[in-house]
Amino acid sequence: AQKITQTQPGMFVQEKEAVTLDCTYDTSDPSYGLFWYKQPSSGEMIFLIYQGSYDQQNATEGRYSLNFQKARKSANLVISASQLGDSAMYFCAMREGATGGFKTIFGAGTRLFVKA
Amino acid sequence: NAGVTQTPKFQVLKTGQSMTLQCAQDMNHNSMYWYRQDPGMGLRLIYYSASEGTTDKGEVPNGYNVSRLNKREFSLRLESAAPSQTSVYFCASSDRTGFSNQPQHFGDGTRLSIL
Repeated sequence: AQKITQTQPGMFVQEKEAVTLDCTYDTSDPSYGLFWYKQPSSGEMIFLIYQGSYDQQNATEGRYSLNFQKARKSANLVISASQLGDSAMYFCAMREGATGGFKTIFGAGTRLFVKA
Repeated sequence: NAGVTQTPKFQVLKTGQSMTLQCAQDMNHNSMYWYRQDPGMGLRLIYYSASEGTTDKGEVPNGYNVSRLNKREFSLRLESAAPSQTSVYFCASSDRTGFSNQPQHFGDGTRLSIL
């Protein structure tokens, strides 16, 4: 069954340091996509980065990178040079392909606190 | 460019009342989704529609029904509201293709309180 797990309810990081947010997943669909979203206190969902199941290289988008380890079924988000504005909830999500009906589920989230 | 529009933004109901949450998207997306988010928690999938004419249960479908009225619109109905359904409800849409790197686009959410 499709499953997403984020085991870190809360994380603290010092401003300008890097932080890794963990995400593991499970699916029987060979075609899937992994997404990370940021949700600030205002409530909107902001897309950060995407990794496809067949992508050979780890995705990067500015200060965000994704440490994709397919065999271990993990897709950890790395935020480099943390900023105060990075304080928010972060969600990992997985979308299955046609076999799974394009179903998309989310993990429970990690609340990140950036300290000055 | 409106994106995903949800109505209403806020609603208070009494236990046992019914209501329908509306969602419309103007991006020609095939797939649409309804999620609920309880305070401090993640988004849980209620129902989704991979394409016009199809709907499927998600993780927490009990107490809800959906209608994919056309390609643009996907409504969520609470037939007999219960306090446990107090939550923020998000509608989302996305490109259908499994290989697509296009993310879901979310509405602003509906804050629903059931007394």
